[in-house]
Amino acid sequence: GQQLNQSPQSMFIQEGEDVSMNCTSSSIFNTWLWYKQDPGEGPVLLIALYKAGELTSNGRLTAQFGITRKDSFLNISASIPSDVGIYFCAGPGGGADGLTFGKGTHLIIQP
Amino acid sequence: EAQVTQNPRYLITVTGKKLTVTCSQNMNHEYMSWYRQDPGLGLRQIYYSMNVEVTDKGDVPEGYKVSRKEKRNFPLILESPSPNQTSLYFCASSISIAGASYEQYFGPGTRLTVT
Repeated sequence: GQQLNQSPQSMFIQEGEDVSMNCTSSSIFNTWLWYKQDPGEGPVLLIALYKAGELTSNGRLTAQFGITRKDSFLNISASIPSDVGIYFCAGPGGGADGLTFGKGTHLIIQP
Repeated sequence: EAQVTQNPRYLITVTGKKLTVTCSQNMNHEYMSWYRQDPGLGLRQIYYSMNVEVTDKGDVPEGYKVSRKEKRNFPLILESPSPNQTSLYFCASSISIAGASYEQYFGPGTRLTVT
């Protein structure tokens, strides 16, 4: 099936720093989604991208749909403690029209 | 409030004892899906349903059953649970995959332990 490679696997940053993470696929996608999962909770949709080159913001979060349609990027500016969690990229695949997920980037903010 | 609910949130059971995890959504979504989440393996799809009475296998369906008799409900059934089914389970729904809406909304999760 589809493979999504997400990096980095984990990030240890200081509060206030900017964060960048990315996701690459083995095939072309027409949709990219970014989710965040807080400890003990289900993933929550942050941003959905539907067009190559698209840049979409949600507060301090900005995501981009790569021009090659095989990658996507998520940036978080001026991180705060509540940004801690696991960030997943996802795209079409897995069980006919379902979603395939990356393995996640674990964001840890050091005081 | 638009949401996906799951019950129970936590369950400890023994090998072979049949169990059902319920999932319900109040958004009139056509598409519903079950995932399991395991350390190092991420989220993997178990079963999905495109609409009432339409279900199909995902990537890891062995040992699971589902049914979709009503649009809002999509229960996950483990007829004879085994320890390798110890995991965190999520139900999700979306408006319509056929309509190219891949935006899935997740329930809070069910942590299952099979001893």
